[in-house]
Amino acid sequence: AQSVAQPEDQVNVAEGNPLTVKCTYSVSGNPYLFWYVQYPNRGLQFLLKYITGDNLVKGSYGFEAEFNKSQTSFHLKKPSALVSDSALYFCAVRDWTGRRALTFGSGTRLQVQP
Amino acid sequence: DARVTQTPRHKVTEMGQEVTMRCQPILGHNTVFWYRQTMMQGLELLAYFRNRAPLDDSGMPKDRFSAEMPDATLATLKIQPSEPRDSAVYFCASGLVVGGSNYGYTFGSGTRLTVV
Repeated sequence: AQSVAQPEDQVNVAEGNPLTVKCTYSVSGNPYLFWYVQYPNRGLQFLLKYITGDNLVKGSYGFEAEFNKSQTSFHLKKPSALVSDSALYFCAVRDWTGRRALTFGSGTRLQVQP
Repeated sequence: DARVTQTPRHKVTEMGQEVTMRCQPILGHNTVFWYRQTMMQGLELLAYFRNRAPLDDSGMPKDRFSAEMPDATLATLKIQPSEPRDSAVYFCASGLVVGGSNYGYTFGSGTRLTVV
């Protein structure tokens, strides 16, 4: 079985400060990891993915994520938060075979205060 | 930008009626998912197709839900009969997966279903 845990329902950060949204995963074999963002009344938008290679992955809108195999984590980060980053963030995982679909975490609501 | 198109965007129906949701995946994508999003359950996988063949529909209530891909440009999700507990946002997503490698998945804007 594959699973994703996002331990924080909500993260609050002041504009200009760095942000971290946490994600840990469980999967057989090598993981494919994804971050998606959802704005109100919208679909999910792809931010970034880790397949293989460099543990630090850079994505859209200045976001990046660090893959840590020993801690089975894939935390989302941004050096300087914007109010417009306020949204719902989902971490997702699938196994390398692709025989199973993406499994999503429960989501973390990011609130950036001006 | 290529996009996944879902219709209708909103649907209000009475309990017991049939509901059909449609999805046009991105041209060239060989993988299609249906997910349901609710406040209580989050994002739940309903169905997963690769090259139009169902790979996983274990999350779908089989007594009332059905998912098909009549051709590569159309995926459908039907609920018959619908119930109030089916009220949710239903998302379709498509992607290109070749030999296990993945080039990302694109989500549609969703169909917001309300069953009264």
